[in-house]
Amino acid sequence: QQKVQQSPESLTVSEGAMASLNCTFSDGTSNNFRWYRQHSAKGLEVLVSIFSDGEKEEGRFTAHLNRANLHVSLHIREPQPSDSAVYLCAANSNNYAQGLTFGLGTRVSVFP
Amino acid sequence: DMKVTQMPRYLIKRMGENVLLECGQDMSHETMYWYRQDPGLGLQLIYISYDVDSNSEGDIPKGYRVSRKKREHFSLILDSAKTNQTSVYFCASRGTTYEQYFGPGTRLTVL
Repeated sequence: QQKVQQSPESLTVSEGAMASLNCTFSDGTSNNFRWYRQHSAKGLEVLVSIFSDGEKEEGRFTAHLNRANLHVSLHIREPQPSDSAVYLCAANSNNYAQGLTFGLGTRVSVFP
Repeated sequence: DMKVTQMPRYLIKRMGENVLLECGQDMSHETMYWYRQDPGLGLQLIYISYDVDSNSEGDIPKGYRVSRKKREHFSLILDSAKTNQTSVYFCASRGTTYEQYFGPGTRLTVL
C-alpha cells in the first residue's frame, strides 16, 4: 500500500516569504496527487491537484511533481497569516474510486 | 458550490453506546468515503461507498459499519462504541473527476 511522508513536520515563515513543503511517496503506483489545507478543527480544503510531471499553479499555490523521484512539493508564494494551517499531501491510486492515502501533514505558521 | 455536510459536529458518548454519524452531499456524487483522523496516524480510510447499497471496506473497517440507502446520504455506525474510537471523522464525496470533497468533520468522544 502506498505510504506518504511529509517534511518538514512544522515550518515557520514570515509573511511574504516563500514557503516550501515536501512529500515523498513509497512507490510509483499513484497517478494523481493533491495538497489540502486544514485550518484548526476544520475540514479539508483542496489547494492543488496534479496528475503529470511538472508544475501546476493555483493562485499562490504551486505543486511540482517528479514521479521518477517519488516526490511532490508545494510552494506557497507570499504567504499570509491566514495561511497558517496544517498542509496535507495525499496520493490516489490507479483505481480512481479508492480512497486517498494521506501524509501526516506539515504545520505552517506565518508571522507578520 | 460543492457541499458536503456532516451531523452532528460534536458528539460525546459512553462506551458501549451506539453511534450514528450522518453525511450528506448535494452533488449527486456516486462515490462517498468515511475517514478518521488521529494525531500521529493522519487520515485513514474506513469505508467506501460506490453507490446505493454498494459498499466496500477501507483500510480500518473493524468496529464500523455503513449504510447508504440514498445516493445523497452516507451513514457511519458504531455498534457499541469503544474508547479507541474517539476521533475526528470526515466524510468525503467524489464526482466524475478524481477530486474528493470533504465535510467539516465530526468530533466524537467516547468516554
